[in-house]
Amino acid sequence: EPEVTQTPSHQVTQMGQEVILRCVPISNHLYFYWYRQILGQKVEFLVSFYNNEISEKSEIFDDQFSVERPDGSNFTLKIRSTKLEDSAMYFCASSEVGANYNEQFFGPGTRLTVL
Amino acid sequence: RKEVEQDPGPFNVPEGATVAFNCTYSNSASQSFFWYRQDCRKEPKLLMSVYSSGNEDGRFTAQLNRASQYISLLIRDSKLSDSATYLCVVNTGNTGKLIFGQGTTLQVKP
Repeated sequence: EPEVTQTPSHQVTQMGQEVILRCVPISNHLYFYWYRQILGQKVEFLVSFYNNEISEKSEIFDDQFSVERPDGSNFTLKIRSTKLEDSAMYFCASSEVGANYNEQFFGPGTRLTVL
Repeated sequence: RKEVEQDPGPFNVPEGATVAFNCTYSNSASQSFFWYRQDCRKEPKLLMSVYSSGNEDGRFTAQLNRASQYISLLIRDSKLSDSATYLCVVNTGNTGKLIFGQGTTLQVKP
């Protein structure tokens, strides 16, 4: 069964450092997403991406964050200068279409720890 | 008011019990509704979509009441493997953005 993969599974970084979280969405999917979940809290939407551009972003997704699809398979989330409060589990998701009732498949997540 | 609100629980039930979870959402323009399941420190996985007519998948039944902005999930004949956090999820637009509730924790005991 096709699945979304993410690397690394755990990333530890120092405050102020840049991190890049990587995702490989399911191959025939066209819509890509990043969500985050701070420990003990709900899953929060960060950004949706389609046709090589951002289609929606949340208030969390400020100018410290960026996304890119550098080639036909990878989808990356970059945090330019990490803060302590960026520590969370980051989930990538993909779907065939962006419309209603279309299942989003989530990757296993990258746990980001900012020290 | 929270966009999607759930009772966090935990719900502790014996095997074989029937348990019901409720959820309310604040945006009347919400278009699609889901229940996801999340095991500890794992990714959310779709359990079922929720339709206005109600839908059933084996032991699981989901209902939607648009007038009351209320979604429910009923689990019959609970199994130990049903122990997880159940997430009420709403899609309000065409970009695929999902809004998650806090989740309701279910613990099924032998």
